Amino acid sequence: QQPVQSPQAVILREGEDAVINCSSSKALYSVHWYRQKHGEAPVFLMILLKGGEQKGHDKISASFNEKKQQSSLYLTASQLSYSGTYFCGTVISSGSARQLTFGSGTQLTVLP
Amino acid sequence: DAGITQSPRHKVTETGTPVTLRCHQTENHRYMYWYRQDPGHGLRLIHYSYGVKDTDKGEVSDGYSVSRSKTEDFLLTLESATSSQTSVYFCATRQVDEQYFGPGTRLTVT
Repeated sequence: QQPVQSPQAVILREGEDAVINCSSSKALYSVHWYRQKHGEAPVFLMILLKGGEQKGHDKISASFNEKKQQSSLYLTASQLSYSGTYFCGTVISSGSARQLTFGSGTQLTVLP
Repeated sequence: DAGITQSPRHKVTETGTPVTLRCHQTENHRYMYWYRQDPGHGLRLIHYSYGVKDTDKGEVSDGYSVSRSKTEDFLLTLESATSSQTSVYFCATRQVDEQYFGPGTRLTVT
């Protein structure tokens, strides 16, 4: 079942912060975050594993609440380059296939 | 970057014709995946492979078949293309837990 992302869209000014949420109705093994710019392939940002730590690099970080099966992506002091569509992908089984099910995306626009 | 290329990058074809899309990787990853991306649906898994000649169905496999005769190549075939298969198709490979995507193929079925 597809994870639910919120909000569907967000518009920011440079330097502002944003939070994107991803929730699942099923117990999760991992949550993956991707960013996709128009006409390009999704780019891997980070993965959060069950029992793992909060991840982050530069000004983008993410958390995974295993009890609620929710993940949040935090973008701080946003830059113009952060614009794009953000997708979360969830894996419900630690089996070898690790099939990803993606949310429908959050469109982030950063204005100067 | 997992060294993934897709061909063709763009294709226009007519309803009822067969179409084959190719995914090539240079990283020797065991797992490979085909997704389609449509507005409002995000990315949906069509088929995946866990080794040479080993494949399995994903969420939206009807109307598609796949083959993998070599580790580096994963082919997606539309036996008889329909307008509902107009989409952007992405190939991906997996290293441990991380999936990396190829540049995509935009397919239009008229």
